[in-house]
Order: sequence, then C-alpha cells, then structure tokens
Amino acid sequence: NAGVTQTPKFRVLKTGQSMTLLCAQDMNHEYMYWYRQDPGMGLRLIHYSVGEGTTAKGEVPDGYNVSRLKKQNFLLGLESAAPSQTSVYFCASSYSQGTTEAFFGQGTRLTVV
Amino acid sequence: DAKTTQPNSMESNEEEPVHLPCNHSTISGTDYIHWYRQLPSQGPEYVIHGLTSNVNNRMASLAIAEDRKSSTLILHRATLRDAAVYYCILLTHGSSNTGKLIFGQGTTLQVKP
Repeated sequence: NAGVTQTPKFRVLKTGQSMTLLCAQDMNHEYMYWYRQDPGMGLRLIHYSVGEGTTAKGEVPDGYNVSRLKKQNFLLGLESAAPSQTSVYFCASSYSQGTTEAFFGQGTRLTVV
Repeated sequence: DAKTTQPNSMESNEEEPVHLPCNHSTISGTDYIHWYRQLPSQGPEYVIHGLTSNVNNRMASLAIAEDRKSSTLILHRATLRDAAVYYCILLTHGSSNTGKLIFGQGTTLQVKP
C-alpha cells in the first residue's frame, strides 16, 4: 500500500518551460488536493478535486491547471513556469468530507531559474 | 472560513508533556478541529481530530474547551522525533464540505534533550 505518491521528487525548470506533476493514490479516495509551500510558510491550497472529472480553485490557483481524469490520479500543470513558482508542492487525498484524515505525499521540490 | 490562532513557537524538554494551544473563537457548530504536524522535509501527517469531546489516540490527546473556542493538543511524553510544525485546522462538516485543509503558520515545537 503506497498511499500518496508524487512524481517527480525534484525538478529544475527554466522560465517559460512547462511541466506536469503527477499525484497518484491507491486508497480509493474521492478527494484530492494540491498545495504549495514556500520557505518558512504554511501550505497554501492551489486546486482541489472532489471526485473524478471535477476540479476547483483553491487559495492560489493562478498559473496552474489541474486535471482528474482518473479517480486515482490528480495532475498539476504549469504551462509557463515563473521563478515565483519555485516551491515545494504537496499532494494530498482524503476519503470523505473532512471527518477523516488526509494523507500527504512526500513533496516535489521545484526550482524555476 | 473560521480561523485559528496558534503561538509561533514553543519549547519542551524531552520526556516531558507538551501542551500546544489553539484559539478558534469563531468556530461554528459543524466545524471539526483537526491537528496535523509536519516533520522537517516531509509532508504533513494527521495527528488527531475532534468535534466536542476530548479525544485520545496513540499519538496524542485533544482537549476541547466546553465552549469550543479553544483546544489543546497534548503530547504526553515528548521525544526528539516530535520536533515539528503543528497545525490546528478547522474543517466544516456537511454536504457542502470539500474537505480542504486551510493551513495557517502553525506552531514550531522544539524538543530539547
């Protein structure tokens, strides 16, 4: 049982390049989330999904897009990376409406130069 | 969304109890109180959650004030491994809930040997 797996773990991008971060969960969870964490800060919600085929904006959605084509996967895309998107990105999933725990991945450290 | 207030940092000695406070004076009747912690260079992990009654699990205890405007996370015997950032988060339960966790700054706990 792998839990929540994020791919890749590290990435360096040049300004203007695009990339996709993959989050996969094997717990049959309905809810999935993408967060970013800047140094010394708490996590901020980028986008989230309450089920296959659904997505919604979080606190800081600008510059990111997401897709949830399969229940187990939640993709975060950066179409044109900017240095301000240098951060650690965390994915999470949970089963129900907030009464159970959320499980987090180990993070993806992204640097945009 | 109702907000929480936590001290920025706390210190504890190893093998002593730790009481981490959280104020949430605007909590609503359907808000659950969740605690997560984030060890260095890791994703957050669930600690405990509750609604009205005090809760215990293998990691910690959660004491909730009678008026629910504050709560305290209790680590009964701190170890060096408990050094982390602890987040107190309110999560609204109900049909419109999406389970999304909104993180504040949290409390950085230092444990001294």
